[in-house]
Amino acid sequence: QQQVKQSPQSLIVQKGGIPIINCAYENTAFDYFPWYQQFPGKGPALLIAIRPDVSEKKEGRFTISFNKSAKQFSLHIMDSQPGDSATYFCAASVGGFKTIFGAGTRLFVKA
Amino acid sequence: GAVVSQHPSWVICKSGTSVKIECRSLDFQATTMFWYRQFPKQSLMLMATSNEGSKATYEQGVEKDKFLINHASLTLSTLTVTSAHPEDSSFYICSAHTPGLATGYEQYFGPGTRLTVT
Repeated sequence: QQQVKQSPQSLIVQKGGIPIINCAYENTAFDYFPWYQQFPGKGPALLIAIRPDVSEKKEGRFTISFNKSAKQFSLHIMDSQPGDSATYFCAASVGGFKTIFGAGTRLFVKA
Repeated sequence: GAVVSQHPSWVICKSGTSVKIECRSLDFQATTMFWYRQFPKQSLMLMATSNEGSKATYEQGVEKDKFLINHASLTLSTLTVTSAHPEDSSFYICSAHTPGLATGYEQYFGPGTRLTVT
């Protein structure tokens, strides 16, 4: 019940494409759903986050879609660039505590 | 703002020795700090949660006597890996949280410490 399932494991898109990463959760107590970007050898960096009372949130080229009834949320990266090549993690927490991370998606954007 | 640092960024130690990793919140006071472990090409796994001045809460399966956590102030938490063995080699990442920043839900992550035990 504490798991956050993330797919796909890896993703290759052309520059300008829109990669979509999906996550699903079981614990309805989760109330904060962040996405993190991690480059090799670095700590994760918060990209964008959403609360369950909102169905969509956009920040720059990043959009989260949230489906509370299905207990699913996804990340869309608009106009993807080679510099977006990284590992992306979805996560979920209750009040910002005990964050549970998805398994990660390795994204490669071809130039 | 909301910068978290870790020191050292990379450490090599011999099997059987202990190593201390520091996590500092540089421009804010963190009421709670978290320690994660990440193996190569894997996700982050929460090891423990610590609040300033109180004992850390460890996740199931994490040996509290092996991974000593001290949260002496609102800006500093330390993780000491005692009697390290090669299987302890990993990337250790801390994060800090305080309800007074942004929405109050964010965790701010440090850059990580690569531990290699030989």
